[in-house]
Amino acid sequence: QKEVEQDPGPLSVPEGAIVSLNCTYSNSAFQYFMWYRQYSRKGPELLMYTYSSGNKEDGRFTAQVDKSSKYISLFIRDSQPSDSATYLCAMSGNTGNQFYFGTGTSLTVIP
Amino acid sequence: DAMVIQNPRYQVTQFGKPVTLSCSQTLNHNVMYWYQQKSSQAPKLLFHYYDKDFNNEADTPDNFQSRRPNTSFCFLDIRSPGLGDAAMYLCATSRESPQSYNEQFFGPGTRLTVL
Repeated sequence: QKEVEQDPGPLSVPEGAIVSLNCTYSNSAFQYFMWYRQYSRKGPELLMYTYSSGNKEDGRFTAQVDKSSKYISLFIRDSQPSDSATYLCAMSGNTGNQFYFGTGTSLTVIP
Repeated sequence: DAMVIQNPRYQVTQFGKPVTLSCSQTLNHNVMYWYQQKSSQAPKLLFHYYDKDFNNEADTPDNFQSRRPNTSFCFLDIRSPGLGDAAMYLCATSRESPQSYNEQFFGPGTRLTVL
């Protein structure tokens, strides 16, 4: 079983739609939960991170963590064509440098 | 702007011909990482340096080596590239703090093609 599972998509939505991206994980020791955005042929860039359970909002983006279900989500409101990218979830424990990445979900927002 | 720089952005090599990829950073971070990312797959950590201490992942092939001559630079050497080594190679850095979140900053990647 992989440490982190993420549906690769692809996901295609019309502009203005609400997008929901999700990951599940198996390691209960994970404490930090990250969402990275990766444009084609570019390196990943951090969108947001959350510590432990709860919600975090940043503009049109909301991250949710449910540690009891080992399930994390990223919601994008009022999606824009510029949001078209691959979204990677990543997780880590309280200490150490090990990040565990999902495979990424490819998102296309159609104008 | 502080950043992570990778050169070259695209590298073509022949089967079995050694190749070196480079990474530099202006963030003065003490940890540097090398990831391999194949199409539609998660980035896979190959190794990382904590200052000068080298940490190899257990499943990283011996074909992959790394050097970190100073804080700013880190190199990935592939001694005898095979067709299966064609991938995007990502360098990342972080400032290690015990018991806290250590954001990893990624470079743009080097796309390696093996002919």
